[in-house]
Amino acid sequence: KQEVTQIPAALSVPEGENLVLNCSFTDSAIYNLQWFRQDPGKGLTSLLLIQSSQREQTSGRLNASLDKSSGRSTLYIAASQPGDSATYLCAVGETSGSRLTFGEGTQLTVNP
Amino acid sequence: DTAVSQTPKYLVTQMGNDKSIKCEQNLGHDTMYWYKQDSKKFLKIMFSYNNKELIINETVPNRFSPKSPDKAHLNLHINSLELGDSAVYFCASSQEGDYSPLHFGNGTRLTVT
Repeated sequence: KQEVTQIPAALSVPEGENLVLNCSFTDSAIYNLQWFRQDPGKGLTSLLLIQSSQREQTSGRLNASLDKSSGRSTLYIAASQPGDSATYLCAVGETSGSRLTFGEGTQLTVNP
Repeated sequence: DTAVSQTPKYLVTQMGNDKSIKCEQNLGHDTMYWYKQDSKKFLKIMFSYNNKELIINETVPNRFSPKSPDKAHLNLHINSLELGDSAVYFCASSQEGDYSPLHFGNGTRLTVT
């Protein structure tokens, strides 16, 4: 059974700092890995999707990496801004990506 | 022009009642899902439908019954509500067979008293 763990559970940084969020999964036979952002009282917004054959994906100030063999992914946020404050969730897709197993999230606070 | 919309946003009801949550997507996706987020913010899949057919049915009580009248709709009906059903329920959709991300609705916060 796939298990997804995210570290740290919460992170508070000053504005402008670069930061890394970590995600690990127990079963490396994955289809894809997605990073989501969740704002309070809102649904999830997909940030980046990495296919199992890829090593990384980039979108603006965000960069996500995937190391299937070690069961790890990182989300790198450059030059953080207060608007980045949210909960970031990592999710692993199995068997065509239909079934996502989520981590518990990292709650990020960027202080002005 | 919301992509995935759920109604209602909030639902407060008493134990033993039956309630439904509706979900619609206008993205033309083939697959729709229901996820449950508990008080610890942990998201777990409940059901997945592809072209109106059930393809994932996790271990949820049979009091929960999804209904997909067409590809763009997936409703969730809950019978005999219990206190432990209190959670946020999210509907989502994706394009099946593609490396496409999931698109989530804004959630329905269900409170059972």
